[in-house]
Amino acid sequence: GAGVSQSPSNKVTEKGKDVELRCDPISGHTALYWYRQRLGQGLEFLIYFQGNSAPDKSGLPSDRFSAERTGESVSTLTIQRTQQEDSAVYLCASTRGRMSYEQYFGPGTRLTVT
Amino acid sequence: LAKTTQPISMDSYEGQEVNITCSHNNIATNDYITWYQQFPSQGPRFIIQGYKTKVTNEVASLFIPADRKSSTLSLPRVSLSDTAVYYCLVGEGTGFQKLVFGTGTRLLVSP
Repeated sequence: GAGVSQSPSNKVTEKGKDVELRCDPISGHTALYWYRQRLGQGLEFLIYFQGNSAPDKSGLPSDRFSAERTGESVSTLTIQRTQQEDSAVYLCASTRGRMSYEQYFGPGTRLTVT
Repeated sequence: LAKTTQPISMDSYEGQEVNITCSHNNIATNDYITWYQQFPSQGPRFIIQGYKTKVTNEVASLFIPADRKSSTLSLPRVSLSDTAVYYCLVGEGTGFQKLVFGTGTRLLVSP
C-alpha cells in the first residue's frame, strides 16, 4: 500500500481480555516503531524493530505488553489482561532504515478498555 | 535526548504567518531538530528537519540560531487546515531515532 496501515481502527474490549493490534509498514521499510498516545498527550515510545529483531524494548510499560514482527513486514502488538489504563491510541510508524530520520505514521488503533 | 519546551497553544487567523518557537538548551552536537504535525485522529506527519541556520521546504521554514538552543518553525500564510498540534523534537539525525514527543503546540487558525 501507499502508507502505513493499522487494524483494527477501533477496538473496545473488557478489562482482563487480551488484544492484538496489527501494523503493516510501507513496503521496503526496514524499521518499525510502536508508540502509545493517551488523550491530549504526546506520544510514548514502546518498542522498535530493525527487521524482525527488537533492539529497544525499553518503552514497553509492563510484561503484559509484547510485540513481534515477521521479517520486514507486518508487526503485532499484544496486550494481555488489559487494564483501563491501557486505553489509548496505539500508533505504528516505519522508516526506510537506520539512516532515515523521517518516520511515517499509520492512523492508529484506538483501544478502549471498559 | 534533549528536552524541548514549546508553547502549549497559539491562535492565529487565516493568511497570517505563524512562528512557533521551541527551546532546547541541552541540544547535543550530533542532534538535529525535527518538527512533526498532527491532525486529530491521525498519526503525526514529518514537516521539516534542520541542523543549523535556515531550512525551507514547500510547507514551512525552520530557523535555527548559531547557538542552536532554540528553533522557530515558520508557517507562511496559514489556512484553516493548518489547525493541528505541532511537535518539536531533538535527537540524532542519523541512525535509529526513538522519537520523544512532548505535548506539542496546539495551533488554532480562525477565519
